[in-house]
Amino acid sequence: KQEVTQIPAALSVPEGENLVLNCSFTDSAIYNLQWFRQDPGKGLTSLLLIQSSQREQTSGRLNASLDKSSGRSTLYIAASQPGDSATYLCAVSSGNNRLAFGKGNQVVVIP
Amino acid sequence: GAGVSQSPSNKVTEKGKDVELRCDPISGHTALYWYRQSLGQGLEFLIYFQGNSAPDKSGLPSDRFSAERTGGSVSTLTIQRTQQEDSAVYLCASSLGIARSYEQYFGPGTRLTVT
Repeated sequence: KQEVTQIPAALSVPEGENLVLNCSFTDSAIYNLQWFRQDPGKGLTSLLLIQSSQREQTSGRLNASLDKSSGRSTLYIAASQPGDSATYLCAVSSGNNRLAFGKGNQVVVIP
Repeated sequence: GAGVSQSPSNKVTEKGKDVELRCDPISGHTALYWYRQSLGQGLEFLIYFQGNSAPDKSGLPSDRFSAERTGGSVSTLTIQRTQQEDSAVYLCASSLGIARSYEQYFGPGTRLTVT
Protein backbone atom coordinates (compact mmCIF):
# COMPACT_ATOMS: atom_id res chain seq x y z
CA LYS A 1 0.00 0.00 0.00
CA GLN A 2 1.36 3.43 -0.97
CA GLU A 3 2.08 5.68 2.00
CA VAL A 4 2.62 9.41 1.42
CA THR A 5 4.21 11.63 4.07
CA GLN A 6 4.54 15.39 4.09
CA ILE A 7 6.95 17.22 6.34
CA PRO A 8 6.61 19.63 8.03
CA ALA A 9 2.92 19.44 8.86
CA ALA A 10 2.82 23.19 9.42
CA LEU A 11 5.17 26.11 8.90
CA SER A 12 5.19 29.89 9.00
CA VAL A 13 7.52 32.05 6.95
CA PRO A 14 7.97 35.81 6.53
CA GLU A 15 6.76 37.28 3.27
CA GLY A 16 9.44 37.17 0.58
CA GLU A 17 11.15 34.02 1.79
CA ASN A 18 11.25 30.92 -0.38
CA LEU A 19 9.06 27.98 0.68
CA VAL A 20 10.29 24.39 0.54
CA LEU A 21 7.71 21.65 1.06
CA ASN A 22 8.68 17.99 1.17
CA CYS A 23 6.75 14.89 0.17
CA SER A 24 7.92 11.28 0.42
CA PHE A 25 6.28 8.07 -0.76
CA THR A 26 7.02 4.44 -0.02
CA ASP A 27 6.42 2.76 -3.38
CA SER A 28 8.59 4.22 -6.15
CA ALA A 29 6.52 2.53 -8.88
CA ILE A 30 4.39 5.60 -9.52
CA TYR A 31 2.83 6.91 -12.69
CA ASN A 32 2.67 10.55 -11.68
CA LEU A 33 2.70 12.92 -8.73
CA GLN A 34 0.41 15.88 -8.31
CA TRP A 35 0.67 18.91 -5.99
CA PHE A 36 -2.57 20.58 -4.91
CA ARG A 37 -3.48 23.67 -2.94
CA GLN A 38 -6.45 23.70 -0.55
CA ASP A 39 -7.83 26.85 1.03
CA PRO A 40 -9.93 26.57 4.21
CA GLY A 41 -13.39 25.21 3.46
CA LYS A 42 -12.60 24.82 -0.23
CA GLY A 43 -11.83 22.04 -2.67
CA LEU A 44 -8.46 21.21 -4.19
CA THR A 45 -6.76 23.26 -6.86
CA SER A 46 -4.20 21.41 -8.98
CA LEU A 47 -0.85 23.20 -9.07
CA LEU A 48 1.54 20.89 -10.89
CA LEU A 49 1.51 17.37 -12.32
CA ILE A 50 4.80 15.54 -12.79
CA GLN A 51 4.82 12.37 -14.86
CA SER A 52 7.07 9.57 -13.64
CA SER A 53 9.44 10.14 -16.57
CA GLN A 54 9.95 13.80 -15.64
CA ARG A 55 12.28 15.26 -13.02
CA GLU A 56 10.59 18.62 -12.54
CA GLN A 57 7.77 20.93 -13.54
CA THR A 58 7.57 24.70 -13.29
CA SER A 59 4.69 27.15 -13.26
CA GLY A 60 5.41 30.77 -12.43
CA ARG A 61 6.88 30.95 -8.92
CA LEU A 62 6.26 27.24 -8.37
CA ASN A 63 8.73 24.48 -9.10
CA ALA A 64 8.25 20.82 -8.25
CA SER A 65 10.97 18.20 -8.46
CA LEU A 66 10.61 14.44 -8.49
CA ASP A 67 13.18 11.83 -7.51
CA LYS A 68 11.26 8.63 -8.12
CA SER A 69 14.03 6.25 -7.08
CA SER A 70 14.30 7.79 -3.64
CA GLY A 71 10.56 8.35 -3.31
CA ARG A 72 10.69 12.11 -2.90
CA SER A 73 9.23 15.28 -4.31
CA THR A 74 9.83 18.87 -3.30
CA LEU A 75 7.63 21.88 -4.02
CA TYR A 76 9.46 25.21 -4.10
CA ILE A 77 7.54 28.47 -3.94
CA ALA A 78 9.75 31.46 -4.66
CA ALA A 79 9.34 34.84 -2.99
CA SER A 80 6.33 33.82 -0.88
CA GLN A 81 3.33 36.12 -0.57
CA PRO A 82 0.51 36.22 2.02
CA GLY A 83 -1.80 34.86 -0.69
CA ASP A 84 0.26 31.67 -0.70
CA SER A 85 -1.10 30.83 2.75
CA ALA A 86 -2.95 27.53 2.34
CA THR A 87 -2.55 23.79 2.80
CA TYR A 88 -0.48 22.07 0.13
CA LEU A 89 -1.21 18.43 -0.62
CA CYS A 90 0.98 15.92 -2.40
CA ALA A 91 -0.67 12.95 -4.13
CA VAL A 92 0.74 10.01 -6.10
CA SER A 93 -0.85 7.74 -8.65
CA SER A 94 0.49 4.21 -8.45
CA GLY A 95 -1.42 2.51 -11.21
CA ASN A 96 -4.52 1.51 -9.32
CA ASN A 97 -6.33 4.49 -10.78
CA ARG A 98 -6.57 6.42 -7.56
CA LEU A 99 -4.51 9.08 -5.82
CA ALA A 100 -2.83 8.43 -2.48
CA PHE A 101 -2.57 11.68 -0.53
CA GLY A 102 -0.32 13.01 2.18
CA LYS A 103 -1.88 14.91 5.06
CA GLY A 104 -0.60 18.23 3.79
CA ASN A 105 1.75 21.07 4.64
CA GLN A 106 -0.18 23.95 6.27
CA VAL A 107 1.59 27.17 5.29
CA VAL A 108 1.22 30.65 6.75
CA VAL A 109 3.06 33.52 5.08
CA ILE A 110 3.44 36.40 7.51
CA PRO A 111 3.17 39.89 5.98
CA GLY B 1 -15.13 26.21 -19.05
CA ALA B 2 -17.11 24.83 -16.13
CA GLY B 3 -15.26 22.83 -13.54
CA VAL B 4 -16.45 19.95 -11.40
CA SER B 5 -19.56 20.90 -9.45
CA GLN B 6 -21.00 19.27 -6.37
CA SER B 7 -24.26 19.67 -4.51
CA PRO B 8 -25.24 20.40 -1.87
CA SER B 9 -22.26 22.36 -0.56
CA ASN B 10 -23.33 21.63 3.02
CA LYS B 11 -25.60 18.97 4.43
CA VAL B 12 -26.65 18.47 8.04
CA THR B 13 -28.56 15.29 8.75
CA GLU B 14 -29.71 13.29 11.73
CA LYS B 15 -28.09 10.00 12.58
CA GLY B 16 -29.88 7.16 10.84
CA LYS B 17 -31.12 9.16 7.86
CA ASP B 18 -30.03 8.53 4.26
CA VAL B 19 -28.21 11.21 2.24
CA GLU B 20 -27.42 11.66 -1.44
CA LEU B 21 -24.48 13.70 -2.68
CA ARG B 22 -24.23 14.75 -6.31
CA CYS B 23 -21.26 15.33 -8.60
CA ASP B 24 -21.23 16.85 -12.09
CA PRO B 25 -17.86 16.17 -13.73
CA ILE B 26 -16.18 18.26 -16.38
CA SER B 27 -17.80 17.61 -19.76
CA GLY B 28 -15.89 14.97 -21.71
CA HIS B 29 -14.12 13.51 -18.69
CA THR B 30 -14.54 9.75 -18.69
CA ALA B 31 -13.12 9.06 -15.23
CA LEU B 32 -14.84 10.12 -12.02
CA TYR B 33 -13.63 9.64 -8.43
CA TRP B 34 -15.05 10.09 -4.95
CA TYR B 35 -12.78 10.84 -1.97
CA ARG B 36 -13.48 11.63 1.66
CA GLN B 37 -11.60 14.07 3.87
CA SER B 38 -12.21 13.63 7.59
CA LEU B 39 -10.96 15.99 10.29
CA GLY B 40 -7.39 15.12 11.10
CA GLN B 41 -7.24 12.51 8.34
CA GLY B 42 -5.87 12.73 4.85
CA LEU B 43 -8.01 12.29 1.80
CA GLU B 44 -9.07 8.69 1.34
CA PHE B 45 -10.26 7.12 -1.89
CA LEU B 46 -13.82 5.79 -1.96
CA ILE B 47 -14.82 4.76 -5.50
CA TYR B 48 -13.77 5.22 -9.11
CA PHE B 49 -15.73 5.09 -12.40
CA GLN B 50 -14.09 4.82 -15.82
CA GLY B 51 -16.28 4.88 -18.90
CA ASN B 52 -18.56 1.86 -19.07
CA SER B 53 -16.30 -0.36 -16.96
CA ALA B 54 -17.40 -1.76 -13.62
CA PRO B 55 -16.57 0.75 -10.88
CA ASP B 56 -13.73 0.17 -8.43
CA LYS B 57 -15.58 0.15 -5.09
CA SER B 58 -12.65 -1.06 -3.02
CA GLY B 59 -12.42 2.15 -0.97
CA LEU B 60 -16.01 2.21 0.28
CA PRO B 61 -15.85 1.91 4.09
CA SER B 62 -19.05 -0.10 4.56
CA ASP B 63 -22.04 -1.47 2.69
CA ARG B 64 -23.99 1.61 3.76
CA PHE B 65 -22.09 3.48 1.05
CA SER B 66 -22.96 3.15 -2.62
CA ALA B 67 -22.50 5.21 -5.75
CA GLU B 68 -23.76 5.23 -9.28
CA ARG B 69 -22.95 7.12 -12.42
CA THR B 70 -25.74 7.62 -14.91
CA GLY B 71 -25.09 8.05 -18.61
CA GLY B 72 -21.36 8.29 -18.04
CA SER B 73 -21.74 11.74 -16.55
CA VAL B 74 -23.42 12.72 -13.26
CA SER B 75 -22.65 10.62 -10.19
CA THR B 76 -24.52 10.21 -6.93
CA LEU B 77 -22.93 8.97 -3.70
CA THR B 78 -25.52 7.57 -1.29
CA ILE B 79 -24.94 6.95 2.41
CA GLN B 80 -27.65 4.94 4.13
CA ARG B 81 -28.38 5.03 7.86
CA THR B 82 -25.77 7.75 8.45
CA GLN B 83 -23.50 7.56 11.49
CA GLN B 84 -21.60 10.35 13.22
CA GLU B 85 -18.31 8.96 11.91
CA ASP B 86 -19.59 9.65 8.38
CA SER B 87 -19.18 13.38 9.06
CA ALA B 88 -16.55 14.61 6.59
CA VAL B 89 -16.04 16.56 3.39
CA TYR B 90 -16.84 14.44 0.37
CA LEU B 91 -14.85 15.44 -2.70
CA CYS B 92 -15.48 14.45 -6.29
CA ALA B 93 -12.87 14.61 -9.04
CA SER B 94 -12.82 13.90 -12.75
CA SER B 95 -10.13 13.36 -15.37
CA LEU B 96 -9.89 12.83 -19.11
CA GLY B 97 -8.80 9.26 -18.54
CA ILE B 98 -7.24 6.97 -16.03
CA ALA B 99 -5.22 8.41 -13.17
CA ARG B 100 -1.85 7.17 -14.37
CA SER B 101 -1.83 9.65 -17.23
CA TYR B 102 -4.15 12.49 -16.48
CA GLU B 103 -4.57 15.27 -13.98
CA GLN B 104 -7.52 15.00 -11.61
CA TYR B 105 -9.70 18.08 -11.20
CA PHE B 106 -11.60 18.41 -7.94
CA GLY B 107 -14.95 19.93 -7.08
CA PRO B 108 -15.54 22.19 -4.04
CA GLY B 109 -16.82 19.29 -1.94
CA THR B 110 -19.89 18.59 0.14
CA ARG B 111 -19.49 19.06 3.89
CA LEU B 112 -21.62 16.43 5.63
CA THR B 113 -22.43 16.77 9.31
CA VAL B 114 -24.29 13.95 11.04
CA THR B 115 -25.85 14.99 14.34
